[in-house]
Amino acid sequence: KAGVTQTPRYLIKTRGQQVTLSCSPISGHRSVSWYQQTPGQGLQFLFEYFSETQRNKGNFPGRFSGRQFSNSRSEMNVSTLELGDSALYLCASSPQGLNGNQPQHFGDGTRLSIL
Amino acid sequence: AQTVTQSQPEMSVQEAETVTLSCTYDTSESDYYLFWYKQPPSRQMILVIRQEAYKQQNATENRFSVNFQKAAKSFSLKISDSQLGDAAMYFCAYRSAETSGSRLTFGEGTQLTVNP
Repeated sequence: KAGVTQTPRYLIKTRGQQVTLSCSPISGHRSVSWYQQTPGQGLQFLFEYFSETQRNKGNFPGRFSGRQFSNSRSEMNVSTLELGDSALYLCASSPQGLNGNQPQHFGDGTRLSIL
Repeated sequence: AQTVTQSQPEMSVQEAETVTLSCTYDTSESDYYLFWYKQPPSRQMILVIRQEAYKQQNATENRFSVNFQKAAKSFSLKISDSQLGDAAMYFCAYRSAETSGSRLTFGEGTQLTVNP
């Protein structure tokens, strides 16, 4: 079974631009979560989607948004990029609907650098 | 809100020896899950072991085991017979079982070095 696939692997943008990152979950997984990883703030939860609906949201500004498609693939978008948005963005998928003990499986991440 | 604390930013161990990584957490919930993930330089977060809070028995996975102390809110990871491939950043993570969703709260991480 293929793992979680994130594209692109690396991305360089300039301040003020916007960016879209993509995540394809493991086949059959309906929940997709996004995390931001930086040296200063560590791993922080952005949001989670399940069945095309945002189920949970972290404490990030409205410039960070996401969506999920009917095939469970997810995208996250960051508008008006700031230098502080430079980070590794990780996507994780899991199969469960309601609470369950199934762990999340992570992709390799997208390294976003803002110049 | 839940918090997870890993008080050891860095640890080192000799190959074939045993090392224990510490993790404490704070929560008012009684039902939750705890996880240890490792992140090698390749960046992918890999699940090492998980524990359900309602289970008193400590989880084990081959050379990896945990010491789960619910009352003390402590969840340490023991790696036995350490191997060079165990070198990585290790993250402790919490997930609620009382609210819907898969949201994980992570600790700051412990960088483990394995010396040959």
